Amino acid sequence: QVQLVQSGLEVKKPGASVKVSCKASGYNFLNYGISWVRQAPGQGLEWMGWISTYTGETKFAQNFQGRVTVTTDTSTRTTHMELRSLTSGDTAVYYCARDAGQTSYDVLVGYYTNTPKYYFDYWGQGTLVTVSS
Amino acid sequence: QSVLAQPASVSGSPGQSITISCTGTNSDVGGYHSVSWYQQHPGKAPKLVIYDVIDRPSGVSNRFSGSKSGNTASLAISGLQPEDEADYYCSSYTSGTTLVFGGGTKLTVL
Repeated sequence: QVQLVQSGLEVKKPGASVKVSCKASGYNFLNYGISWVRQAPGQGLEWMGWISTYTGETKFAQNFQGRVTVTTDTSTRTTHMELRSLTSGDTAVYYCARDAGQTSYDVLVGYYTNTPKYYFDYWGQGTLVTVSS
Repeated sequence: QSVLAQPASVSGSPGQSITISCTGTNSDVGGYHSVSWYQQHPGKAPKLVIYDVIDRPSGVSNRFSGSKSGNTASLAISGLQPEDEADYYCSSYTSGTTLVFGGGTKLTVL
């Protein structure tokens, strides 16, 4: 069965960086991209960005441009999200989620591409990141 | 402040039907066929219940349905059951920041 398993609780000081991992299993890892979504305590969901596990292409929300890096390691089927220059406002549960857009052959360009569909059919369990001095 | 506007709370009795609205603009909800809805129980990850405005993932009850009119999308739940009590979030593709969520709606089953 499809599973996304995330790394554990993180406690960081303001100004530090945090790296959260998300290990996929139960499906062809290269067939689907991964998005990162966060949720501050008692608040709503906020989309951070997406990565194609096939091409490494990334897309980010404007709020996180320049402060977040998302990478993928196909050998371990793991996606990593690093957020820098942390403030107390970054305290949240961070989720990875599988984007439903599948990798497919684009006849117009002559190679495989992956385009996000921006909806998420499987989610990780969440990783609480607490930023406090 | 969330880009998509949802009511903070809705309620209904078991067996009744409710609707949750999600209002955006021509640049998101009104401009694309890319509205999704998620159900989130306390302490749990969100679960997809509607995608592409009206489609239901395999395994999701047909009591859940989606629709859209202009810049407002809606999630309807019929035959309310106690386990439907949860927070519900809409999301939409947007030409600006790519994906935006609503602020969430707490559904209480009385």
